[in-house]
Amino acid sequence: GENVEQHPSTLSVQEGDSAVIKCTYSDSASNYFPWYKQELGKRPQLIIDIRSNVGEKKDQRIAVTLNKTAKHFSLHITETQPEDSAVYFCAASGSGSARQLTFGSGTQLTVLP
Amino acid sequence: NAGVTQTPKFQVLKTGQSMTLQCAQDMNHNSMYWYRQDPGMGLRLIYYSASEGTTDKGEVPNGYNVSRLNKREFSLRLESAAPSQTSVYFCASSGTTGPYEQYFGPGTRLTVT
Repeated sequence: GENVEQHPSTLSVQEGDSAVIKCTYSDSASNYFPWYKQELGKRPQLIIDIRSNVGEKKDQRIAVTLNKTAKHFSLHITETQPEDSAVYFCAASGSGSARQLTFGSGTQLTVLP
Repeated sequence: NAGVTQTPKFQVLKTGQSMTLQCAQDMNHNSMYWYRQDPGMGLRLIYYSASEGTTDKGEVPNGYNVSRLNKREFSLRLESAAPSQTSVYFCASSGTTGPYEQYFGPGTRLTVT
């Protein structure tokens, strides 16, 4: 089955700096890669996703890049703000009928004021 | 729309007791999922249902059973709870044609003593 590895497990940045979180996946058939943000005690919420026919996608301060050859994808957050502090999860999904997701282990991002 | 709802929010069980976690969605989604979240391990898929009438095992199905009662409802049952099942349980749902975003419920925090 699919295996998703995520690094780093913790990341501290100064407010206004950029943050980058990286994930690798093992199944070359995976074709959908979402990123979720989870605040303490809350449910995961989708912040951005990318499909395998696209190399990069941006949404305001957030961007995701995908390298299918190397089987890795990354989340980039620019101009970080204290409210960006949360746990971020990457995930990968194949072509199964339910498009089930395999999640990375998460990155605790702390933005220092 | 309420989205995805789960009951109960919190539960404490003694080893060997049984219980059922309830999940319902009002988004007319075909696919539904149950995850457990343990510290430092991300979300792991327990069972999923690609459509009404079908269920399949995920990564960590041992000790659990599920029922897809109808298109809206997907329940998770612990027949004989064990301390290793102490976790936060999330239900999610998604459509099977794009977009593939999974929407999560608020979670159930379960403690088994």
